Amino acid sequence: QLQESGPGRVKPSETLYLTCAVSGGSINTLGYYWAWIRQSPGKGLEWIATDYYTGETYYNPSLKSRVAISADASTNHISMSLTSVTAADTGVYYCAGSPPNYYAVAVWGQGTTVTVSS
Amino acid sequence: SSDLAQPPTVSVSPGQTASITCSGDKVGDRYVCWYQKKPGQSPVLVIYQDTKRPSGIPERFSGSNSGNTATLTISGTQAMDEADYYCQAWDSSAAGVFGGGTKLTVL
Repeated sequence: QLQESGPGRVKPSETLYLTCAVSGGSINTLGYYWAWIRQSPGKGLEWIATDYYTGETYYNPSLKSRVAISADASTNHISMSLTSVTAADTGVYYCAGSPPNYYAVAVWGQGTTVTVSS
Repeated sequence: SSDLAQPPTVSVSPGQTASITCSGDKVGDRYVCWYQKKPGQSPVLVIYQDTKRPSGIPERFSGSNSGNTATLTISGTQAMDEADYYCQAWDSSAAGVFGGGTKLTVL
């Protein structure tokens, strides 16, 4: 299971920090890849970043300059930061996981809502 | 913008077959998966690796992928299938990419 947590509201130009608690296994041994995905109001799903259990990371080119993803095996958490947020970053942010060789997200968190507003 | 194109809307009568396409350059060379998304809920994987159904997904959901088009087919569509559907594949940098989504209306 995946459980996201975040600040709820962030001011424009600030940095958004989100964390995702992974339960049901160690992120080091599950062999999953982990991802952050978001949906802005009235828009479709948008892939943000991927963290493979090997430590490799991949980013949406449109967000690459502002986003970072990391995995902490000691706490079994996946984290994400997004700098210089604007109103366009408002939305529901999902933590997601894909089992080995699935090539698809099979496990989703319930999502955490982020509003960028002063 | 997305390199996977989906029709914005598809309408189907109950009991009929709905087909949702996902078009992209040589998408048949990549694995495509499909998600069902209902308002206020997290997405649900309904098809992965082009044609496979996860446990618990009804048999009426099926998928195909060839050439430049992947297709999600829902046979005997039910009212509960009304939702947004998203295709997803991987881009060259190994980040995921979604189609723009299709709103399925069961009339």
